Amino acid sequence: DAGVIQSPRHEVTEMGQEVTLRCKPISGHNSLFWYRQTMMRGLELLIYFNNNVPIDDSGMPEDRFSAKMPNASFSTLKIQPSEPRDSAVYFCASSLHGNTEAFFGQGTRLTVV
Amino acid sequence: QKEVEQNSGPLSVPEGAIASLNCTYSDRGSQSFFWYRQYSGKSPELIMFIYSNGDKEDGRFTAQLNKASQYVSLLIRDSQPSDSATYLCAVKRAGGSYIPTFGRGTSLIVHP
Repeated sequence: DAGVIQSPRHEVTEMGQEVTLRCKPISGHNSLFWYRQTMMRGLELLIYFNNNVPIDDSGMPEDRFSAKMPNASFSTLKIQPSEPRDSAVYFCASSLHGNTEAFFGQGTRLTVV
Repeated sequence: QKEVEQNSGPLSVPEGAIASLNCTYSDRGSQSFFWYRQYSGKSPELIMFIYSNGDKEDGRFTAQLNKASQYVSLLIRDSQPSDSATYLCAVKRAGGSYIPTFGRGTSLIVHP
């Protein structure tokens, strides 16, 4: 199994531009999480999907952030417009429903200049 | 008060010693507890989970849970330089789906 796959691995963009991060969860997993990690705030949950449905988006910082999961094998996190304070590592993770372990992708390091 | 608290460290121990990492949580109804290891520039990976009060051992790792005191700890015996990493404590919120809340992590340095 290839594990959770995220793309791109690195993204550098200018303030005001739209950024789209992509995630392919492990096949058969029906829970998907988007996290953001910074030195200041640690690992923060942004949004949680179960069976492609957003269950908890209370961590999404503001309306500039949106996430979709059109099918069981693909999810996107979009930031529009991006701001320098959005610079962070964004992780996608997936797990089996009721399974104890969340498997993380390699992350996308986003830099907004 | 943050939901999951960890001392950021760094915790420095000599090779072969026992490293003790601690975590406290605020939600008394929390049910499941996890320890992840994260090497610099890498993603978190699960090393232990524990649900019941007491100790759980897996190789050189022992997780300890005390729900009455709301803390969970991770002991690493015979620490090796390869154990040098950040250790993240995660707690499952009560009454819902599996949504782990993470502490900010403790940096561990094992020096030869």
